[in-house]
Amino acid sequence: AQSVAQPEDQVNVAEGNPLTVKCTYSVSGNPYLFWYVQYPNRGLQFLLKYITGDNLVKGSYGFEAEFNKSQTSFHLKKPSALVSDSALYFCAVRDWSYNQGGKLIFGQGTELSVKP
Amino acid sequence: ETGVTQTPRHLVMGMTNKKSLKCEQHLGHNAMYWYKQSAKKPLELMFVYSLEERVENNSVPSRFSPECPNSSHLFLHLHTLQPEDSALYLCASSQDSGSESTDTQYFGPGTRLTVL
Repeated sequence: AQSVAQPEDQVNVAEGNPLTVKCTYSVSGNPYLFWYVQYPNRGLQFLLKYITGDNLVKGSYGFEAEFNKSQTSFHLKKPSALVSDSALYFCAVRDWSYNQGGKLIFGQGTELSVKP
Repeated sequence: ETGVTQTPRHLVMGMTNKKSLKCEQHLGHNAMYWYKQSAKKPLELMFVYSLEERVENNSVPSRFSPECPNSSHLFLHLHTLQPEDSALYLCASSQDSGSESTDTQYFGPGTRLTVL
């Protein structure tokens, strides 16, 4: 079965410190992986995606993610956190049981809190 | 977020009411999606339309009825809802390029629905 797991419901980081939001996946085909962010009362905003190529993917707002095939992980990282990064983060993977386009399976989300 | 718009942003309805949610995408995409986001639960995919044809219906109760009159518009018609249907309803769109699609889904801001 295909799935995405975000093992931490909440991550707390001090402003200026590096942050990591964890994601692991299980897929039956190529691992096409995505990160989205959701601010309060807003929709999901696309941050970055991994399809192929370099394992380190750079995205919006200074975020990056590292694809690790052996550990089946796709952790989201930022070298220096900002208070404005506080939001809900979702990892997602392409669902290969659906062959007609970009259906995604989402993780349960991780609440990131950055304190001054 | 302006690429995908949703109206209304907030909706309160009684269990006997009939209402509709509207989504419009300005990105030239050919696939559109309805998701339900409840507190403490992962995003639930409800319906997928590709080239204006419904291609996925994830066992959604018949009190939810989607309509896709063209590739830019998507509706979700609601009738005789239950209080447990209260949630954030998100619309998304993408360019479906077939079985190897790597395309990103872009989300609207959502409609916050409260059923009394």
